[in-house]
Amino acid sequence: EPEVTQTPSHQVTQMGQEVILRCVPISNHLYFYWYRQILGQKVEFLVSFYNNEISEKSEIFDDQFSVERPDGSNFTLKIRSTKLEDSAMYFCASSEKTGGTGELFFGEGSRLTVL
Amino acid sequence: AQSVSQHNHHVILSEAASLELGCNYSYGGTVNLFWYVQYPGQHLQLLLKYFSGDPLVKGIKGFEAEFIKSKFSFNLRKPSVQWSDTAEYFCAVKNNAGNMLTFGGGTRLMVKP
Repeated sequence: EPEVTQTPSHQVTQMGQEVILRCVPISNHLYFYWYRQILGQKVEFLVSFYNNEISEKSEIFDDQFSVERPDGSNFTLKIRSTKLEDSAMYFCASSEKTGGTGELFFGEGSRLTVL
Repeated sequence: AQSVSQHNHHVILSEAASLELGCNYSYGGTVNLFWYVQYPGQHLQLLLKYFSGDPLVKGIKGFEAEFIKSKFSFNLRKPSVQWSDTAEYFCAVKNNAGNMLTFGGGTRLMVKP
């Protein structure tokens, strides 16, 4: 069964460093997402991406975040200057279509720890 | 804005007990509803979904959920749980137009053998 894959599974970084989290969505999917879950809190939407541009983003997704689809397979989330509060599990997801019946498929997550 | 509430944060059951996890949402328009499960160390997996039609939805592994529009609820049920159902369960909602999922806080289920 096709699946969304994410790397790294766990990254530890120092505050202020740049981090790139990588995702390989399911190959025929066109819509891509990042969600995050701070320990003990809800899974929160960060951003959705379609046709090489951001289609929706939340208040969390400020200027320190960016997303990119650098080639035909990868979808990346970059955090420019990490803060302690960025420590979370980051989930990538993809879907074949949007709207009514668009089902999201999630990756296993990348745990980011900022020291 | 839409929001989702899961009232049970932790549930402990013995095997063969029946399960019902509550989920209430707030949103004025047409919604799509989901239950996801996250087994220890694994990714979010879709258990079941409701888009339209029969409000009683059957999912994988014997789970079902009932959409009650008048109560803004989408409770998850299973008549007889197994030890392997130990996991965290998330209710989620999205409006019919977009793809942004709003999640509830999750319910940790522990099933004792």
